[in-house]
Amino acid sequence: DAKTTQPTSMDCAEGRAANLPCNHSTISGNEYVYWYRQIHSQGPQYIIHGLKNNETNEMASLIITEDRKSSTLILPHATLRDTAVYYCIVRVRAGANNLFFGTGTRLTVIP
Amino acid sequence: DTEVTQTPKHLVMGMTNKKSLKCEQHMGHRAMYWYKQKAKKPPELMFVYSYEKLSINESVPSRFSPECPNSSLLNLHLHALQPEDSALYLCASSQDPGGGSDTQYFGPGTRLTVL
Repeated sequence: DAKTTQPTSMDCAEGRAANLPCNHSTISGNEYVYWYRQIHSQGPQYIIHGLKNNETNEMASLIITEDRKSSTLILPHATLRDTAVYYCIVRVRAGANNLFFGTGTRLTVIP
Repeated sequence: DTEVTQTPKHLVMGMTNKKSLKCEQHMGHRAMYWYKQKAKKPPELMFVYSYEKLSINESVPSRFSPECPNSSLLNLHLHALQPEDSALYLCASSQDPGGGSDTQYFGPGTRLTVL
C-alpha cells in the first residue's frame, strides 16, 4: 500500500501562495493522489485529485512529478479561512474505495 | 450538490445506553463509509458499504453495528460503548465503489461523548 509523507506544519502569509509538498515514493501506476483538508472539528473537504497530469480547479492546483513519487498542492492566494490540516492521500487496495489518512500538514495562514 | 448530512451533531451517552448515528446523502452515490476520528488524529476507516452491502469492516468491535437500509441512508448503532469510544464519527459517500478516481464526500460528523 502506498503511503505518504508530509511536513507536520507550515505557515503561509495571507495573500501569498501556499505550497504543500507530499512524498509518495511507493505509489503504484494506477493509484491516484488525493488532497483533502479539515478545518477544526469539521468533516474533511475534498480539494483535488490527479493521476499523472497536473490538475487545477477553483480551489487549488496539483502538481505531480513525472516519476509520480511526489506532488505539491498549491493554494494560489491563501486566506485565513485556508487554515486547516491538509491530507495527501494515495488510494490503497485496488477495487476498494477507502482512504488512508496520514498525519497531514497543519497549514496556518498568518495575517 | 455534494452534501452529506449527519445527525445528531452532538451525542452524549452512558455506557449502558443504545443510540444510533444517522447519515444521509441524495447524490445517488452507491458507496457509503463510516470513519472514526480521535482528537488530534486523522480519520480512520471503520466500515464501507458498497451497493448497500457491507464490503469492508476494519475489525471494528461488535458494539458498533452498521446498517444500510437503502442507498441513501447509513446508520451506526451503538451499544455498550466505552469512554475511549468518544470521538468524531464521520460519514462519507462516493459515486462509484472501486473506481480509481472515485471521490468521497464527507459529512460534518457527530461528536460522541461516552460517559
